[in-house]
Amino acid sequence: EIVLTQSPGTLSLSPGERATLSCRASQNVFSSYLAWYQQKPGQPPRLLIYGASSRATGIPDRFSGSGSGTDFTLTISRLQPEDFAVYYCQQYGNSPYTFGQGTKLEIK
Amino acid sequence: QTQLVESGGGVVQPGTSLRLSCAASGFIFSAYGMHWVRQAPGKGLEWVAGIRYDGSNEYYADSVKARFIVSRDNTKNTLYLQLNRLRVEDTAVYYCARGGEKGFDAWGQGTMVTVSS
Repeated sequence: EIVLTQSPGTLSLSPGERATLSCRASQNVFSSYLAWYQQKPGQPPRLLIYGASSRATGIPDRFSGSGSGTDFTLTISRLQPEDFAVYYCQQYGNSPYTFGQGTKLEIK
Repeated sequence: QTQLVESGGGVVQPGTSLRLSCAASGFIFSAYGMHWVRQAPGKGLEWVAGIRYDGSNEYYADSVKARFIVSRDNTKNTLYLQLNRLRVEDTAVYYCARGGEKGFDAWGQGTMVTVSS
């Protein structure tokens, strides 16, 4: 099983700042099948990034993903008030399709 | 538009069974792998089970293997999850999600399963 470790656990930033979220895998992620999701309270997750760096349909270009192998990053270039939420990474290349434990992005 | 609607959740006692359903619409259901993901109260996401587009293969998390069964009926555009021998730690919101090379790109609103004596 691939274990995904996200850091930091909580990130406190202000609107307009840049956010950098990390996701480290315990072994190589097959074919860069790494996704990022955003989840707000009481809502299902929303796909932001797939294939490590491709934006999902309708996702603003302030969201970007990078990385390969075992190290991946989600960057939000200029935080908007609606971006404060919990973010999860997931590898979907090999079963079990594991999630990271999440990073909570909160308003400073 | 793509829509996934879960149903079948409820409050049950430990050791009992429950069947969840996920009705799909707005896309060619038989062309996609489908998955169940759960989230315990206040906790993170946990992938539970998945099934290939044609039902030929099923995949499970170790935590539910031999207790849960995922299945699908492509004639009814419906995904199922049979939950057997339920435990208190299975308490969660259960989401169905559409899978593929682009990750899990569509999600339902979830159905709550509470296991309590």
